[in-house]
Amino acid sequence: DQQVKQNSPSLSVQEGRISILNCDYTNSMFDYFLWYKKYPAEGPTFLISISSIKDKNEDGRFTVFLNKSAKHLSLHIVPSQPGDSAVYFCAANTGGFKTIFGAGTRLFVKA
Amino acid sequence: ETGVTQTPRHLVMGMTNKKSLKCEQHLGHNAMYWYKQSAKKPLELMFVYNFKEQTENNSVPSRFSPECPNSSHLFLHLHTLQPEDSALYLCASSQDERGHEKLFFGSGTQLSVL
Repeated sequence: DQQVKQNSPSLSVQEGRISILNCDYTNSMFDYFLWYKKYPAEGPTFLISISSIKDKNEDGRFTVFLNKSAKHLSLHIVPSQPGDSAVYFCAANTGGFKTIFGAGTRLFVKA
Repeated sequence: ETGVTQTPRHLVMGMTNKKSLKCEQHLGHNAMYWYKQSAKKPLELMFVYNFKEQTENNSVPSRFSPECPNSSHLFLHLHTLQPEDSALYLCASSQDERGHEKLFFGSGTQLSVL
């Protein structure tokens, strides 16, 4: 049973527009959420995180929104750039060393 | 360069072979992890070590045997694997932040079992 779900396997966006990547979770005990980015032939790299006590965290072009009642989070990238083309993983943690990942969404940003 | 180095990058082995994956981190972290990524599936946690002690074994078959001699090195010993074990094996490290760990991943070992 997947506790972290990314239902869109891929997303295509025009350069300069907004990219919105979505993630749903089932475990209400998750209290920390992260997004990782992965390029081919590389490991995932940390992008941005949010604690369950917040509903928004912003870092430059990247913003993560958390809706605890809906058990939903999203990553917004504005403006999207061709270098943002990668696989994005949503992840969640309950406070220990066990981070649970989604299956990833592949983002294509067209020039 | 993430500070986490995995070798080899690619490995092809038969079902009767014994091989080992190696991971080394230069970040001064105290926790190290093995994750498995199969095609189009979520990253799957296999093992966690904190200060050389195993804290998680996510019901991994015994044909996978981890070893953590110190906080900087992690091995995954493989024997009598099955073709369905073919996947990308990722090592990661983190500093203990009471559940708010950010993982630093290596580039992975792409394993093919024939």
